[in-house]
Amino acid sequence: DAMVIQNPRYQVTQFGKPVTLSCSQTLNHNVMYWYQQKSSQAPKLLFHYYDKDFNNEADTPDNFQSRRPNTSFCFLDIRSPGLGDAAMYLCATSRGTELAKNIQYFGAGTRLSVL
Amino acid sequence: GDSVTQMEGPVTLSEEAFLTINCTYTATGYPSLFWYVQYPGEGLQLLLKATKADDKGSNKGFEATYRKETTSFHLEKGSVQVSDSAVYFCALSSSYKLIFGSGTRLLVRP
Repeated sequence: DAMVIQNPRYQVTQFGKPVTLSCSQTLNHNVMYWYQQKSSQAPKLLFHYYDKDFNNEADTPDNFQSRRPNTSFCFLDIRSPGLGDAAMYLCATSRGTELAKNIQYFGAGTRLSVL
Repeated sequence: GDSVTQMEGPVTLSEEAFLTINCTYTATGYPSLFWYVQYPGEGLQLLLKATKADDKGSNKGFEATYRKETTSFHLEKGSVQVSDSAVYFCALSSSYKLIFGSGTRLLVRP
């Protein structure tokens, strides 16, 4: 009964070749987040959507873009992946942004390898 | 900026042993504090949370108390099971954002 689904679980791309990661949710939550988690490091927020409003973190590289065509789906686009972009990418959702009151639900992640 | 520091792993225990995973934080204001758990092949799941000083979060036998004076939120369990083997993440939020520690892997041997 997965509520936040990420596809694919494993993605291999070539250096510089654009890649898209997918996330879908069945919770009808307003907020969707993308985190990057490099090996043995803390997950780091890249950006989030509140409905259609896109909110980029100040230190997220321009190489990373996102699209949210509807409530259920959100995509992470990496325009020109470098070796340093190899990581686990985590999608999460919540009903609202006040996290003291709204739980974030995470997908299982997509592990991206860059050759 | 805000940050979370947690003990490095792996932590290896025998079944029924007592568990402590240390977590300290640095934050402006009064953040909410969380423990998330990641079982093999699964996403992060909220384990417990505390939203103000001296609150105790608890779930599945795990407990953590929000200690403002020591800026800590240590995770404890009195008797671990093999099924508790996972990676545990301490996190804080001050608004829309979760800031995580780097995770502590727990291995419980039968």
